[in-house]
Amino acid sequence: DVKVTQSSRYLVKRTGEKVFLECVQDMDHENMFWYRQDPGLGLRLIYFSYDVKMKEKGDIPEGYSVSREKKERFSLILESASTNQTSMYLCASSRTRPDTGELFFGEGSRLTVL
Amino acid sequence: AQKITQTQPGMFVQEKEAVTLDCTYDTSDQSYGLFWYKQPSSGEMIFLIYQGSYDEQNATEGRYSLNFQKARKSANLVISASQLGDSAMYFCAMSPLSNAGKSTFGDGTTLTVKP
Repeated sequence: DVKVTQSSRYLVKRTGEKVFLECVQDMDHENMFWYRQDPGLGLRLIYFSYDVKMKEKGDIPEGYSVSREKKERFSLILESASTNQTSMYLCASSRTRPDTGELFFGEGSRLTVL
Repeated sequence: AQKITQTQPGMFVQEKEAVTLDCTYDTSDQSYGLFWYKQPSSGEMIFLIYQGSYDEQNATEGRYSLNFQKARKSANLVISASQLGDSAMYFCAMSPLSNAGKSTFGDGTTLTVKP
């Protein structure tokens, strides 16, 4: 069964800590994405990557960075966590066209910053 | 820029009845895809159905159909014969075909199916 796996379902961190969220996909997809989900705001794109070592900013990149050293792995980094980064983080992957761009999601990582 | 609007924060439907979840969109792209995803209480987002902007026929996948009205920029999801397991949050999304996968999402609609 094809999968997108996120390393942690639940994390609790303190303000100022460095936080790593890891995502691995086994579908050989070119594209990987990090979204943030907050009640009433839907999903907002943080960063995405179309290839190894490539990254592009999404709609809300401030306070985040990403790393893609291998095709299957896409990491989201919070350099100095703040309380307003408490959220659900969703990783997704997709295949490049001619596919439709359907997203395959991980189970999500719920981060609480105290 | 793209924008997705889902005007129904919550919906109720009786089991075995049909329900329509509304979605309107705005985009300057000529070629784009429209998607619906389901998010049960477990949290994992599940792809339901896709409609391309140049597809003349409405997409269908089992009990799901997408009522695509391009001139009105609407892409409503119709679920026929609702089941208790359909209770979930539903998201409408779109992405330009030039950047397939880079999707913009609506705020979601919570559907509750009553027995």
